[in-house]
Amino acid sequence: EAGVAQSPRYKIIEKRQSVAFWCNPISGHATLYWYQQILGQGPKLLIQFQNNGVVDDSQLPKDRFSAERLKGVDSTLKIQPAKLEDSAVYLCASSFEGLDNEQFFGPGTRLTVL
Amino acid sequence: AQSVTQLDSHVSVSEGTPVLLRCNYSSSYSPSLFWYVQHPNKGLQLLLKYTSAATLVKGINGFEAEFKKSETSFHLTKPSAHMSDAAEYFCVVSEYPFNKFYFGSGTKLNVKP
Repeated sequence: EAGVAQSPRYKIIEKRQSVAFWCNPISGHATLYWYQQILGQGPKLLIQFQNNGVVDDSQLPKDRFSAERLKGVDSTLKIQPAKLEDSAVYLCASSFEGLDNEQFFGPGTRLTVL
Repeated sequence: AQSVTQLDSHVSVSEGTPVLLRCNYSSSYSPSLFWYVQHPNKGLQLLLKYTSAATLVKGINGFEAEFKKSETSFHLTKPSAHMSDAAEYFCVVSEYPFNKFYFGSGTKLNVKP
């Protein structure tokens, strides 16, 4: 079974530039999550999708971050414009529904904002 | 409200000695509980999970955890630490059917030769 795919793996940009990350979840997983993990901290949920609908985006800085999941499969997370404090690893995860659900994580995208 | 508390931000052990990483949770429902490991510059890997079956859960690499409802705890243990166990460990709780996962702040495990 293929895992969660993310690209790019690394990105370096200057502040005020824009950047986009892509995630392809495991086939059949209805729920997709984007997390931000700042160095030395645990992952923080940015947005959760159920199919192509948003379940939770309460911690997404909506003035600069946006995310979409068209057709309930792939997802993109965009930052525009980026700030220095956005330097972090952006993790995508997916899960199926059910009692024994668990999250499967992609390798992450390491963003450096200069 | 759901929450996870990892009681130690750093744990240091000598190679070959036991490992104990502590996790307490709060949950309004019957939770599922997970431990993930993250090696430096690597992704999150599932170590083990508890989902209302046996309370003693065995995971990969010799780790195990015991779900204790009366103590709301899910501590991670390993009888003998290996140098390769040095990593950060996250305790996670989720509740069916909400499909939401709550992370602890993490415990960095250092293993001394």
